[in-house]
Amino acid sequence: QQPVQSPQAVILREGEDAVINCSSSKALYSVHWYRQKHGEAPIFLMILLKGGEQKGHDKISASFNEKKQQSSLYLTASQLSYSGTYFCGTEANAGNQFYFGTGTSLTVIP
Amino acid sequence: DAGVTQSPTHLIKTRGQQVTLRCSPKSGHDTVSWYQQALGQGPQFIFQYYEEEERQRGNFPDRFSGHQFPNYSSELNVNALLLGDSALYLCASSSLAEPSYNEQFFGPGTRLTVL
Repeated sequence: QQPVQSPQAVILREGEDAVINCSSSKALYSVHWYRQKHGEAPIFLMILLKGGEQKGHDKISASFNEKKQQSSLYLTASQLSYSGTYFCGTEANAGNQFYFGTGTSLTVIP
Repeated sequence: DAGVTQSPTHLIKTRGQQVTLRCSPKSGHDTVSWYQQALGQGPQFIFQYYEEEERQRGNFPDRFSGHQFPNYSSELNVNALLLGDSALYLCASSSLAEPSYNEQFFGPGTRLTVL
Protein backbone atom coordinates (compact mmCIF):
# COMPACT_ATOMS: atom_id res chain seq x y z
CA GLN A 1 0.00 0.00 0.00
CA GLN A 2 3.03 2.26 -0.01
CA PRO A 3 2.60 5.04 -2.58
CA VAL A 4 5.20 5.17 -5.34
CA GLN A 5 6.97 8.43 -6.08
CA SER A 6 8.78 9.57 -9.19
CA PRO A 7 11.40 10.57 -9.94
CA GLN A 8 13.56 8.95 -7.24
CA ALA A 9 16.05 11.78 -7.44
CA VAL A 10 16.42 15.09 -9.23
CA ILE A 11 19.10 17.77 -9.40
CA LEU A 12 18.13 21.35 -10.24
CA ARG A 13 19.90 24.65 -10.64
CA GLU A 14 18.53 27.55 -8.65
CA GLY A 15 15.53 29.06 -10.38
CA GLU A 16 14.53 25.89 -12.23
CA ASP A 17 11.20 24.11 -11.77
CA ALA A 18 10.44 20.54 -10.75
CA VAL A 19 7.46 18.23 -10.51
CA ILE A 20 7.29 15.29 -8.09
CA ASN A 21 4.64 12.64 -8.58
CA CYS A 22 2.93 10.30 -6.14
CA SER A 23 0.82 7.34 -7.17
CA SER A 24 -1.28 4.99 -5.06
CA SER A 25 -2.96 1.70 -5.89
CA LYS A 26 -5.78 2.45 -3.44
CA ALA A 27 -8.61 4.97 -3.55
CA LEU A 28 -7.56 7.97 -1.51
CA TYR A 29 -9.21 10.43 0.84
CA SER A 30 -6.20 12.71 1.12
CA VAL A 31 -2.63 13.25 0.04
CA HIS A 32 -0.09 15.02 2.23
CA TRP A 33 3.31 16.34 1.18
CA TYR A 34 6.32 16.67 3.48
CA ARG A 35 9.95 17.70 3.06
CA GLN A 36 12.66 16.18 5.20
CA LYS A 37 16.23 17.36 5.48
CA HIS A 38 18.93 14.93 6.51
CA GLY A 39 18.66 13.98 10.18
CA GLU A 40 15.60 16.16 10.76
CA ALA A 41 11.87 15.55 11.13
CA PRO A 42 9.53 15.82 8.13
CA ILE A 43 8.05 19.29 7.70
CA PHE A 44 4.49 19.71 6.50
CA LEU A 45 4.05 21.33 3.07
CA MET A 46 0.54 20.67 1.87
CA ILE A 47 -2.63 18.60 2.24
CA LEU A 48 -5.03 17.88 -0.58
CA LEU A 49 -8.41 16.36 0.13
CA LYS A 50 -10.82 14.40 -1.99
CA GLY A 51 -13.31 16.93 -3.26
CA GLY A 52 -10.80 19.68 -3.88
CA GLU A 53 -9.95 21.22 -0.50
CA GLN A 54 -6.33 22.18 0.00
CA LYS A 55 -4.25 23.56 2.81
CA GLY A 56 -0.62 24.48 2.57
CA HIS A 57 2.11 27.04 2.15
CA ASP A 58 1.67 29.89 -0.31
CA LYS A 59 4.76 29.07 -2.35
CA ILE A 60 3.90 25.42 -2.82
CA SER A 61 1.33 24.11 -5.26
CA ALA A 62 0.05 20.62 -5.88
CA SER A 63 -2.69 18.74 -7.63
CA PHE A 64 -4.73 15.66 -6.75
CA ASN A 65 -6.36 13.47 -9.37
CA GLU A 66 -8.88 11.43 -7.37
CA LYS A 67 -9.80 9.14 -10.25
CA LYS A 68 -6.20 8.13 -10.88
CA GLN A 69 -5.15 8.21 -7.19
CA GLN A 70 -2.27 10.45 -8.17
CA SER A 71 -0.86 13.69 -6.85
CA SER A 72 1.84 16.00 -8.12
CA LEU A 73 3.87 18.59 -6.22
CA TYR A 74 5.04 21.61 -8.21
CA LEU A 75 8.20 23.43 -7.14
CA THR A 76 8.79 26.62 -9.09
CA ALA A 77 11.78 28.95 -9.13
CA SER A 78 13.66 26.56 -6.85
CA GLN A 79 15.90 27.88 -4.09
CA LEU A 80 18.82 26.21 -2.33
CA SER A 81 16.60 25.74 0.72
CA TYR A 82 14.30 23.45 -1.29
CA SER A 83 16.90 20.68 -1.13
CA GLY A 84 15.80 17.62 0.82
CA THR A 85 13.76 14.47 0.47
CA TYR A 86 10.12 14.91 -0.41
CA PHE A 87 7.55 12.40 0.76
CA CYS A 88 3.92 12.08 -0.06
CA GLY A 89 1.63 10.52 2.52
CA THR A 90 -1.77 9.07 1.84
CA GLU A 91 -4.95 8.20 3.74
CA ALA A 92 -7.69 5.96 2.42
CA ASN A 93 -10.24 7.53 4.77
CA ALA A 94 -10.25 10.49 7.16
CA GLY A 95 -8.11 9.75 10.20
CA ASN A 96 -6.99 6.40 8.85
CA GLN A 97 -3.54 4.89 8.77
CA PHE A 98 -1.04 7.07 7.03
CA TYR A 99 1.29 5.62 4.36
CA PHE A 100 4.42 7.48 3.34
CA GLY A 101 5.68 7.23 -0.24
CA THR A 102 9.05 5.99 -1.45
CA GLY A 103 10.56 9.47 -1.38
CA THR A 104 12.17 11.83 -3.92
CA SER A 105 15.57 13.32 -3.26
CA LEU A 106 15.80 16.89 -4.54
CA THR A 107 19.11 18.74 -4.74
CA VAL A 108 19.28 22.39 -5.77
CA ILE A 109 22.69 23.65 -6.80
CA PRO A 110 23.85 27.25 -7.36
CA ASP B 1 3.57 27.21 21.74
CA ALA B 2 5.80 24.18 22.11
CA GLY B 3 5.76 21.81 19.22
CA VAL B 4 6.12 18.06 19.43
CA THR B 5 8.96 17.02 21.71
CA GLN B 6 10.69 13.66 21.96
CA SER B 7 13.19 12.18 24.34
CA PRO B 8 15.87 11.04 24.34
CA THR B 9 17.53 12.40 21.21
CA HIS B 10 19.89 9.49 20.82
CA LEU B 11 20.04 6.06 22.40
CA ILE B 12 22.42 3.13 22.12
CA LYS B 13 21.31 -0.32 23.24
CA THR B 14 22.46 -3.89 22.79
CA ARG B 15 20.52 -6.77 21.30
CA GLY B 16 17.91 -8.25 23.64
CA GLN B 17 17.50 -5.11 25.70
CA GLN B 18 14.34 -3.10 26.08
CA VAL B 19 13.87 0.60 25.29
CA THR B 20 11.26 3.27 26.05
CA LEU B 21 10.89 6.39 23.93
CA ARG B 22 8.76 9.37 24.92
CA CYS B 23 6.71 11.94 23.07
CA SER B 24 4.77 15.04 24.08
CA PRO B 25 2.29 16.25 21.46
CA LYS B 26 1.74 19.77 20.26
CA SER B 27 -0.57 21.77 22.48
CA GLY B 28 -4.19 21.11 21.56
CA HIS B 29 -3.52 17.78 19.90
CA ASP B 30 -5.05 14.57 21.23
CA THR B 31 -3.64 11.93 18.88
CA VAL B 32 -0.12 10.54 18.72
CA SER B 33 1.30 8.36 15.95
CA TRP B 34 4.65 6.60 15.97
CA TYR B 35 6.80 5.89 12.92
CA GLN B 36 10.02 3.99 12.29
CA GLN B 37 12.34 5.41 9.65
CA ALA B 38 15.28 3.29 8.56
CA LEU B 39 18.17 5.03 6.85
CA GLY B 40 17.26 6.10 3.32
CA GLN B 41 13.64 4.97 3.67
CA GLY B 42 10.33 6.68 4.24
CA PRO B 43 8.71 6.56 7.67
CA GLN B 44 6.74 3.37 8.38
CA PHE B 45 3.62 3.60 10.53
CA ILE B 46 3.87 1.67 13.83
CA PHE B 47 0.67 2.63 15.65
CA GLN B 48 -1.58 5.48 16.66
CA TYR B 49 -2.98 6.36 20.08
CA TYR B 50 -6.15 8.27 20.82
CA GLU B 51 -8.02 8.54 24.14
CA GLU B 52 -5.35 6.36 25.75
CA GLU B 53 -6.05 3.44 23.43
CA GLU B 54 -4.29 2.02 20.40
CA ARG B 55 -6.52 3.08 17.56
CA GLN B 56 -4.62 1.69 14.59
CA ARG B 57 -1.56 -0.48 14.11
CA GLY B 58 0.83 -1.03 11.26
CA ASN B 59 2.67 -4.20 10.38
CA PHE B 60 4.95 -4.38 13.41
CA PRO B 61 5.41 -7.31 15.84
CA ASP B 62 4.09 -7.36 19.38
CA ARG B 63 7.57 -6.45 20.63
CA PHE B 64 6.47 -2.91 19.80
CA SER B 65 3.96 -1.59 22.30
CA GLY B 66 2.83 1.80 23.43
CA HIS B 67 0.88 3.82 25.87
CA GLN B 68 -0.88 7.16 25.96
CA PHE B 69 -1.34 9.10 29.17
CA PRO B 70 -4.26 11.34 30.21
CA ASN B 71 -2.20 14.42 29.24
CA TYR B 72 -1.93 12.95 25.69
CA SER B 73 1.79 12.25 25.94
CA SER B 74 2.87 8.85 24.73
CA GLU B 75 5.53 6.17 25.09
CA LEU B 76 6.83 3.63 22.63
CA ASN B 77 8.33 0.47 24.10
CA VAL B 78 10.38 -2.02 22.17
CA ASN B 79 11.33 -5.33 23.80
CA ALA B 80 13.98 -7.87 22.82
CA LEU B 81 15.79 -5.42 20.57
CA LEU B 82 17.16 -6.64 17.25
CA LEU B 83 19.86 -5.09 15.11
CA GLY B 84 17.14 -4.28 12.56
CA ASP B 85 15.38 -2.04 15.07
CA SER B 86 18.09 0.56 14.58
CA ALA B 87 16.31 3.55 13.08
CA LEU B 88 15.00 7.04 13.63
CA TYR B 89 11.75 6.86 15.60
CA LEU B 90 9.39 9.72 14.86
CA CYS B 91 6.39 10.81 16.82
CA ALA B 92 3.67 12.85 15.14
CA SER B 93 0.72 14.55 16.78
CA SER B 94 -2.58 15.53 15.26
CA SER B 95 -6.12 16.29 16.29
CA LEU B 96 -9.02 14.02 15.50
CA ALA B 97 -11.21 17.01 16.24
CA GLU B 98 -10.10 18.21 12.82
CA PRO B 99 -10.21 14.96 10.86
CA SER B 100 -10.74 16.61 7.53
CA TYR B 101 -7.09 17.58 7.49
CA ASN B 102 -5.34 15.19 9.90
CA GLU B 103 -2.29 17.42 9.57
CA GLN B 104 0.53 15.73 11.39
CA PHE B 105 3.26 17.62 13.21
CA PHE B 106 6.46 15.67 13.70
CA GLY B 107 8.89 15.74 16.55
CA PRO B 108 12.67 15.77 16.01
CA GLY B 109 12.88 12.00 16.49
CA THR B 110 14.91 9.60 18.58
CA ARG B 111 17.87 7.93 16.90
CA LEU B 112 18.09 4.36 18.23
CA THR B 113 21.19 2.31 17.57
CA VAL B 114 21.19 -1.38 18.48
CA LEU B 115 24.62 -3.03 18.75
